Amino acid sequence: QVQLVQSGAEVKKPGASVKVSCKASGYTFSNYYMHWVRQAPGQGLQWMGVISPSGGSTSYAQKFQGRVTVTRDTSTNTVYMELSSLRSDDTAVYYCARSPGSYGWFDPWGQGTLVTVSS
Amino acid sequence: DIQMTQSPSTLSASVGDRVIITCRASQTIGTWLAWYQQKPGKAPKLLIYKASTLESGVPSRFSGSGSGTEFTLTISSLQPDDFATYYCQQHDTYSTFGQGTKLEIK
Repeated sequence: QVQLVQSGAEVKKPGASVKVSCKASGYTFSNYYMHWVRQAPGQGLQWMGVISPSGGSTSYAQKFQGRVTVTRDTSTNTVYMELSSLRSDDTAVYYCARSPGSYGWFDPWGQGTLVTVSS
Repeated sequence: DIQMTQSPSTLSASVGDRVIITCRASQTIGTWLAWYQQKPGKAPKLLIYKASTLESGVPSRFSGSGSGTEFTLTISSLQPDDFATYYCQQHDTYSTFGQGTKLEIK
């Protein structure tokens, strides 16, 4: 079955960077885009960016431009999201989610990765 | 950016009730709208895409409608498993989510 398995929880200090992975299985990796969405504690969902698994082109939400980088490794069917210059308000659960396109609905989602930013 | 506004933010209802959640887009998005259900500590689950297409495996008591800027999610007869938070998402231009509707037991 289609599965997205994310890396484990992280604790980072302000100013540091974090890199979260999302390993896909159960489908043809190059046929679907991968998005990243975050959810701060008790808050709603916020789209961060997307990558094309075949060509590797990316698009990011304006809010995260310059701080987020999404990459992929087609040899391991893994997508990565790196967020730099972390602040306390970056504390959130980060999800990867598969989509049929750069614009599309998300299904399935990874299990989520909690990133805590604290001094 | 396209803004999505859901109403109500919180909804109290009983098992067996019919409930409607509304989502409004700040500009027309055709039928490029999805609905998700999220339970505490879990990832969102896709219910409906392209405004009215029911995702495989989702119970038929869930339905979606609308186009342009006004959309609704209807649950025809609430079941105990349906108490959760629901989000709409526009996927016309990248992605934006509504702020969520928490469906509580009355």
